[in-house]
Amino acid sequence: ETGVTQSPTHLIKTRGQQVTLRCSSQSGHNTVSWYQQALGQGPQFIFQYYREEENGRGNFPPRFSGLQFPNYSSELNVNALELDDSALYLCASSSLGGLTTYEQYFGPGTRLTVT
Amino acid sequence: GQQVMQIPQYQHVQEGEDFTTYCNSSTTLSNIQWYKQRPGGHPVFLIQLVKSGEVKKQKRLTFQFGEAKKNSSLHITATQTTDVGTYFCAGPNDYKLSFGAGTTVTVRA
Repeated sequence: ETGVTQSPTHLIKTRGQQVTLRCSSQSGHNTVSWYQQALGQGPQFIFQYYREEENGRGNFPPRFSGLQFPNYSSELNVNALELDDSALYLCASSSLGGLTTYEQYFGPGTRLTVT
Repeated sequence: GQQVMQIPQYQHVQEGEDFTTYCNSSTTLSNIQWYKQRPGGHPVFLIQLVKSGEVKKQKRLTFQFGEAKKNSSLHITATQTTDVGTYFCAGPNDYKLSFGAGTTVTVRA
């Protein structure tokens, strides 16, 4: 077990709604990254947070936003949900900050279904 | 942008046999990472390779980083049912980690 926790484990939302997913990073880790994993695909990088600031962003629209808190936990917010947002959302923490990309320790994920 | 590709997409292996999965990047990588995701689970970090030509072993798994640092391979010997899952390689690009689509391994007992 990595020590990275996510909540909720499963979520069903309707198109157009908003959702907030939560992540607690592993003790000692100050960087959190969020990934979207569609069925049968590899994780796709959404963004990374380091010292409470967005440190890098993948090819996702602005309706995907996030926060990192002083205790390094993080939230992923998605507005105006679309059917294609249905996926496993993974949070990953790492121990070194911001300058390079080291091994990621993933949480169990939140399975989001948009109907 | 950087692309990471893996082949094959699926690998069906008889228990006890060996197999290799390959990873190729469109750009030179500072390091390559490998992850394993069991069915219904989340990716778990296996290893990171940094040096050109580096070879690392973990029991029956052998990981290699190419001389040009643009490709990597994972070789599994004497496959066991515990090896079932999807193996991803991932390469850093600035602050992003780009994952390949993975090789999904099934094992015939």
